[in-house]
Amino acid sequence: NAGVMQNPRHLVRRRGQEARLRCSPMKGHSHVYWYRQLPEEGLKFMVYLQKENIIDESGMPKERFSAEFPKEGPSILRIQQVVRGDSAAYFCASSLTGGNTGELFFGEGSRLTVL
Amino acid sequence: QQQVKQSPQSLIVQKGGISIINCAYENTAFDYFPWYQQFPGKGPALLIAIRPDVSEKKEGRFTISFNKSAKQFSLHIMDSQPGDSATYFCAAMDSSNTGKLIFGQGTTLQVKP
Repeated sequence: NAGVMQNPRHLVRRRGQEARLRCSPMKGHSHVYWYRQLPEEGLKFMVYLQKENIIDESGMPKERFSAEFPKEGPSILRIQQVVRGDSAAYFCASSLTGGNTGELFFGEGSRLTVL
Repeated sequence: QQQVKQSPQSLIVQKGGISIINCAYENTAFDYFPWYQQFPGKGPALLIAIRPDVSEKKEGRFTISFNKSAKQFSLHIMDSQPGDSATYFCAAMDSSNTGKLIFGQGTTLQVKP
């Protein structure tokens, strides 16, 4: 019974490159959330997706960041033209029901380092 | 209004002692309050959660106390053990049905043997 799977676990990019982070939710879960954790800080909500739909992207930076959750395959968080300030741990969580009726299960995170 | 404020930032407790972490919120629409435990290099894992219709919830050595009028809630870890050493996050979820959790800043707990 695999949990939320994220890859890569660690990613190093140079300024200006693109970063793609992937998240496979728990089996049967169709609700995916992305959070960002800066060093010594709490987790900040970025985006909430259901299959093929973005439900809430109020935490996403207006530029360079995008997310998708296609009908087939994992959810992807894409960061274009990365800058040093993008260095953080990015966590994906999934939920069976969404809303406030279900627990969020987190993956182990993808740690992005921008040189 | 969307903030959740958590204190202390760090906490050192002797083995067998009681660890207490506090959180406060402002948004009265919040109606689900979980606590997450995070070990270094791992993702957060749900520890215990409460809804505002009860004032206390206990699961093993972990207890949440909830004060709706004061908009505060706290985590108590009884008989703290070295294995409890981790970072603890309180969180709150609004009732807009997006499942978006607002996290506190985290408390790093160290339990000394």
